[in-house]
Amino acid sequence: DGGITQSPKYLFRKEGQNVTLSCEQNLNHDAMYWYRQDPGQGLRLIYYSQIVNDFQKGDIAEGYSVSREKKESFPLTVTSAQKNPTAFYLCASSTSAPTSGRTDTQYFGPGTRLTVL
Amino acid sequence: GQQVMQIPQYQHVQEGEDFTTYCNSSTTLSNIQWYKQRPGGHPVFLIQLVKSGEVKKQKRLTFQFGEAKKNSSLHITATQTTDVGTYFCASLGGSSNTGKLIFGQGTTLQVKP
Repeated sequence: DGGITQSPKYLFRKEGQNVTLSCEQNLNHDAMYWYRQDPGQGLRLIYYSQIVNDFQKGDIAEGYSVSREKKESFPLTVTSAQKNPTAFYLCASSTSAPTSGRTDTQYFGPGTRLTVL
Repeated sequence: GQQVMQIPQYQHVQEGEDFTTYCNSSTTLSNIQWYKQRPGGHPVFLIQLVKSGEVKKQKRLTFQFGEAKKNSSLHITATQTTDVGTYFCASLGGSSNTGKLIFGQGTTLQVKP
């Protein structure tokens, strides 16, 4: 819950424009994640990062890009190549990197609802 | 890749009735986590189960992990309107999935007062 912020809560963009979603955490977590949620569906992993300056593609990375220049920040860019970008985007973080073998709790931010007009 | 199937997708109950959601996998799971997402909100961690046959309770919520570690369930006794939301199970993917968390599709619970 607390400690992860996403901004803005609602975002409207015109088709063909790139847009960057912000995600900041002050929990000192190593791992950060971006998920996409469509109505009535579960969470689909877009990208995740285990450590600063490193990130891996998730299941639906096409049309998205990320960076992890700072431990506390993991911005997601939705590019014009993403064919259906309207969705609810959730950022999360956890203490352990996934490949450590541990599965720590994922703390989610409040989400950004992106609508492409 | 590994998948976690969750059923049912939707459930409507009268307040006071019980509710159960099931999570199933074709492969052995190392653990299972459960999250709740209120309408318009974000997922919030509820619990993690690790041991075969493990059962944990949180007030009216009972969580079970199957003996074969291939299924799990969340049971709510005497539902209340505050239980409304979507419940997700999630598990650490196998080595072929580089350890990322795999979420089920979720079960959305509606409670009629």
